[in-house]
Amino acid sequence: NAGVTQTPKFQVLKTGQSMTLQCAQDMNHEYMSWYRQDPGMGLRLIHYSVGAGITDQGEVPNGYNVSRSTTEDFPLRLLSAAPSQTSVYFCASSYRGEQYFGPGTRLTVT
Amino acid sequence: SQQGEEDPQALSIQEGENATMNCSYKTSINNLQWYRQNSGRGLVHLILIRSNEREKHSGRLRVTLDTSKKSSSLLITASRAADTASYFCATDAGGTSYGKLTFGQGTILTVHP
Repeated sequence: NAGVTQTPKFQVLKTGQSMTLQCAQDMNHEYMSWYRQDPGMGLRLIHYSVGAGITDQGEVPNGYNVSRSTTEDFPLRLLSAAPSQTSVYFCASSYRGEQYFGPGTRLTVT
Repeated sequence: SQQGEEDPQALSIQEGENATMNCSYKTSINNLQWYRQNSGRGLVHLILIRSNEREKHSGRLRVTLDTSKKSSSLLITASRAADTASYFCATDAGGTSYGKLTFGQGTILTVHP
């Protein structure tokens, strides 16, 4: 099993550009989440899904959209990138409460 | 806002010593989890303790939970240089929030060979 995979690993955007961060898991987990991690801080939940077709907002959802059309995939869309969205983004899937994290995407918005 | 607050923010010890990290939280929980993050990598799940449990062991890890004090501790015994990492506690409030973790800011552990 590949576990949780994320692409790209690094991305630089200009202010106002949009992009999609990809996340996929092959463990057939129903729960998937997106977090952001800023320097010296823990992770903050952006969006969350309990299964295909169902999503929910986390602590910091503004500026981000998600959809969940399949169990495997949970893409995160930045609608109009801002410098405040410079961060490392982690996707995770969950089984019985334990979360399995991807390697992260380091995003810089200039 | 961060649910968990961890103490200390940084801990530096010698190989072979024990390392203790503490986590306090504010609201009632379904479970509390500890994760490790090596520099530049994703988080790795270490241990989950449920609200009706008081202590749990996994290898060299010992986690305690005191729901009356809303606090937890992670003890790593006989530390190794490879234990150098950031350690985070995360709480799951359960109910309609089940699976939505709230993380603390983490403890940076450095183990010197």
